[in-house]
Amino acid sequence: KNEVEQSPQNLTAQEGEFITINCSYSVGISALHWLQQHPGGGIVSLFMLSSGKKKHGRLIATINIQEKHSSLHITASHPRDSAVYICAVRRGAQKLVFGQGTRLTINP
Amino acid sequence: EPEVTQTPSHQVTQMGQEVILRCVPISNHLYFYWYRQILGQKVEFLVSFYNNEISEKSEIFDDQFSVERPDGSNFTLKIRSTKLEDSAMYFCASSTGTSGATLRSYNEQFFGPGTRLTVL
Repeated sequence: KNEVEQSPQNLTAQEGEFITINCSYSVGISALHWLQQHPGGGIVSLFMLSSGKKKHGRLIATINIQEKHSSLHITASHPRDSAVYICAVRRGAQKLVFGQGTRLTINP
Repeated sequence: EPEVTQTPSHQVTQMGQEVILRCVPISNHLYFYWYRQILGQKVEFLVSFYNNEISEKSEIFDDQFSVERPDGSNFTLKIRSTKLEDSAMYFCASSTGTSGATLRSYNEQFFGPGTRLTVL
């Protein structure tokens, strides 16, 4: 079983829809990251969370440490949000363990 | 805005050859990392580096791999004798930390654009 599981694996939605991507993990962590990977391969860090909720523009990330679960929400989605969204958890001193990613496609 | 840079963007090599992938981390960062992503698979941690030594490494990071910070700016990953299965995208990342850092001072990691390594 993977230590980090994301759902769904693929998500297609219409522009303007509210998007939710989920991440569950099975191990103790000290932080959780949400990352965005563009079609060209580059990775951008969106959030780092250890508790509660963070918001940046149209993006919101939440984490429930007791339930070992995090969600990434996108409000008023736009075609430029199309990318792979990756959840990664910090284990050990610095090691990140990655989920398999969620491929998001937003159609105009 | 400061960013992590990597060179080359694409490296093609013959099996058995040595390759060196280069990274320039953000200048005030103290922790450095290498990750790889085989095509179609998830990103995997290779190694972290702090205070001029490896602080953590994965089972992937065997004797064929080495890292070095040869000067004040570059951070390199060397693969001594490449194999076909080393073909992947290699990402460098860096993060801040205070001197004598503990787990509590861990911060967000910033990723470079990646080097695509193709072993023929």
